[in-house]
Amino acid sequence: AQSVTQPDIHITVSEGASLELRCNYSYGATPYLFWYVQSPGQGLQLLLKYFSGDTLVQGIKGFEAEFKRSQSSFNLRKPSVHWSDAAEYFCAVGTTSGTYKYIFGTGTRLKVLA
Amino acid sequence: SQTIHQWPATLVQPVGSPLSLECTVEGTSNPNLYWYRQAAGRGLQLLFYSVGIGQISSEVPQNLSASRPQDRQFILSSKKLLLSDSGFYLCAWSVQDRVFGYTFGSGTRLTVV
Repeated sequence: AQSVTQPDIHITVSEGASLELRCNYSYGATPYLFWYVQSPGQGLQLLLKYFSGDTLVQGIKGFEAEFKRSQSSFNLRKPSVHWSDAAEYFCAVGTTSGTYKYIFGTGTRLKVLA
Repeated sequence: SQTIHQWPATLVQPVGSPLSLECTVEGTSNPNLYWYRQAAGRGLQLLFYSVGIGQISSEVPQNLSASRPQDRQFILSSKKLLLSDSGFYLCAWSVQDRVFGYTFGSGTRLTVV
């Protein structure tokens, strides 16, 4: 069965510092992978997605993610964090069972220090 | 452009009362529709999804039900709420192709008291 693990529940970084949020997945074939961001009390917004091609994916708000098949990872990165990036981040993997269900990780809450 | 509306934003209901949350999508046809519940520290749990009118798939046994009376309308219901039904409920839609990802509504915070 598909699964997604986000090992870090909370991460704190200083504004201007670089950021990497980890995501590991379990899936038998080439996965469809997503990163979403959620501000408090809001819905989730798609940051970026990977389904084939270049393993380095660019997204909105200056985020990027790299798909590494050998490590079953899809880590999210940003070179310089802004205070407005404080939010919860979710990694998700898409299934290929024909029902288009996504499996979400438990999320990583990012705190940004001024 | 496509938009998704979800209401109400906040709801406080007593135990044993009924529930109806509504979600509508505009600007697209024949979307896949989803209901998720989010509990603190537990990520998102898929409750129901629908690939067409009247077609509902349930992911987990629970005190909730879903219906899709129209192509772009998805309703989450309960006849009698339990305390454990409290949470943040999110509706989402996608095109009939998984690579595009979901678009989520703004969510409903349900507190059962």
